[in-house]
Amino acid sequence: GENVEQHPSTLSVQEGDSAVIKCTYSDSASNYFPWYKQELGKGPQLIIDIRSNVGEKKDQRIAVTLNKTAKHFSLHITETQPEDSAVYFCAASKEETSGSRLTFGEGTQLTVNP
Amino acid sequence: NAGVMQNPRHLVRRRGQEARLRCSPMKGHSHVYWYRQLPEEGLKFMVYLQKENIIDESGMPKERFSAEFPKEGPSILRIQQVVRGDSAAYFCASSTYILNEQFFGPGTRLTVL
Repeated sequence: GENVEQHPSTLSVQEGDSAVIKCTYSDSASNYFPWYKQELGKGPQLIIDIRSNVGEKKDQRIAVTLNKTAKHFSLHITETQPEDSAVYFCAASKEETSGSRLTFGEGTQLTVNP
Repeated sequence: NAGVMQNPRHLVRRRGQEARLRCSPMKGHSHVYWYRQLPEEGLKFMVYLQKENIIDESGMPKERFSAEFPKEGPSILRIQQVVRGDSAAYFCASSTYILNEQFFGPGTRLTVL
């Protein structure tokens, strides 16, 4: 089955700096890669996703890149703010019309220091 | 448009009791997924259901756990004879049948005493 590894497990940055979180996946058939933000005591919130037919996607301060050959994808947050502090999870799946399970990484605790 | 709803938000059970967790998907979503999150860990897939059908239960423990998504009403995750190791946050997610964008509910935090 699919295996997703995520690094680093913790990341501390100063407000205004950039943050980068990296994930690798094992199943070359995976074609859908979402990123979730989870605040304490809440459910994961989908913040951005990318499919294997594109290499990069951007939404304001958040961008995701995908390298299919190397089987890794990354989340980039620019101009970080204290409210970006949360646990971030990457995930992978094979998107099919009948739906499919997400395999998650272990998460990255991001702390943005004011 | 209401999001994914889960109840109860917190559930306390003693060892040996039954736990029932409910999930109502987003309007227009026909697929429901259940995930478990142990303390300080990531989310692990348990089961994927459509109305009246279990599509993939490969992540579900073979004993004591069951799930359903009836024609009417919410999806139910049932844990019989709970043990302390079942203490975790249980999240439900839903998606449409076209795309795999899964939207999560707030979770049910189960504590087994």
